[in-house]
Amino acid sequence: AQSVTQLDSQVPVFEEAPVELRCNYSSSVSVYLFWYVQYPNQGLQLLLKYLSGSTLVKGINGFEAEFNKSQTSFHLRKPSVHISDTAEYFCAVSDPGGSQGNLIFGKGTKLSVKP
Amino acid sequence: DAGVIQSPRHEVTEMGQEVTLRCKPISGHNSLFWYRQTMMRGLELLIYFNNNVPIDDSGMPEDRFSAKMPNASFSTLKIQPSEPRDSAVYFCASNLWQGPYNEQFFGPGTRLTVL
Repeated sequence: AQSVTQLDSQVPVFEEAPVELRCNYSSSVSVYLFWYVQYPNQGLQLLLKYLSGSTLVKGINGFEAEFNKSQTSFHLRKPSVHISDTAEYFCAVSDPGGSQGNLIFGKGTKLSVKP
Repeated sequence: DAGVIQSPRHEVTEMGQEVTLRCKPISGHNSLFWYRQTMMRGLELLIYFNNNVPIDDSGMPEDRFSAKMPNASFSTLKIQPSEPRDSAVYFCASNLWQGPYNEQFFGPGTRLTVL
């Protein structure tokens, strides 16, 4: 079965510093990969996705992620964070050959941006 | 588009009472998902429907939980009887599954507290 590991449950950073949120998945087959963001007291919204093609994916709010098949990773990065980026970030994977619509989520990483 | 609509946004009830959570998916979407989010277990998929038919309910924790989707625009998640350990945020999500691309759109969630 597919699984997603987010190694860091909490990441504190100072404003304008760079950040990387790590995500690894377990699969030997092609997958689609997603990052979702959850702001306080809200639902999840899509940040970016990797389906195919270029391994560097750009999303909203200046975030990007790089798909690394050999390392089965999909780490999320931002060169300079803002206070407003404080949220919880979830990595998710779907199996193109699997059940329709099903996503497997990691346990989330709470990003806390301090002034 | 109004997005995925969930009601109520907050529910406080006493142990043993029946609780019904409601979800209206995005018009035109054909898959609907119910998730539960807690601090301890993160985001868990409870059940999902495709074309109003339950596809996978293996995440439903106990027989006390049941979900229905009588038509394409409405779904309910019922807990009877409720217990304090059911306290969580319950999310509904929907998507248009036409192939392997499975982006899901989330509602704002229902925060359930069972006393």
